[in-house]
Amino acid sequence: GAVVSQHPSRVICKSGTSVKIECRSLDFQATTMFWYRQFPKQSLMLMATSNEGSKATYEQGVEKDKFLINHASLTLSTLTVTSAHPEDSSFYICSVGRTANNEQFFGPGTRLTVL
Amino acid sequence: SQQGEEDPQALSIQEGENATMNCSYKTSINNLQWYRQNSGRGLVHLILIRSNEREKHSGRLRVTLDTSKKSSSLLITASRAADTASYFCATLATGGGNKLTFGTGTQLKVEL
Repeated sequence: GAVVSQHPSRVICKSGTSVKIECRSLDFQATTMFWYRQFPKQSLMLMATSNEGSKATYEQGVEKDKFLINHASLTLSTLTVTSAHPEDSSFYICSVGRTANNEQFFGPGTRLTVL
Repeated sequence: SQQGEEDPQALSIQEGENATMNCSYKTSINNLQWYRQNSGRGLVHLILIRSNEREKHSGRLRVTLDTSKKSSSLLITASRAADTASYFCATLATGGGNKLTFGTGTQLKVEL
């Protein structure tokens, strides 16, 4: 498999501030990482596909200027929630797809609460 | 694309019983995967079944796939309290690149 970490695990911030979430692939060089968000008791919604060295591919309805993704190395992708508002409060999870079948390995998630 | 649906949304059983969860999807797929999520945690990959396979086993898990009905089932036999979690199916669409589409999930509770 692959070991994926996320930092921070929890963050509480005031409305209007920006929050950066890191996703690290600890034992695998990942050219592609995925960012999801999950509301309580709901499924995962793919936000964007993060590509090392190039621009991220965003899903329909996801504002790229709101959710900035940077994948500067093969082991690190970051998601920055800019000017966060209470409706951005959610569980954000990243993953790495390692095999040709795209079996994905997930980070532990980051709980964002915007006051 | 629309998510797949899983049923039941919630399932409560006694330890030792079997748990069956179903997943339906809408597109032609390359493979279907099942994941488990403990509360407030990331997802753990359980099992993958390819579109040309009909059944697969892994320990106490048994997965079936019926591509004509666009449906899959996950059976957990001899359940344990530690199996309490949410279970999601995810599909890799044919020609859909590398994106997974997740189902709505089943919350399983196994009681002692």
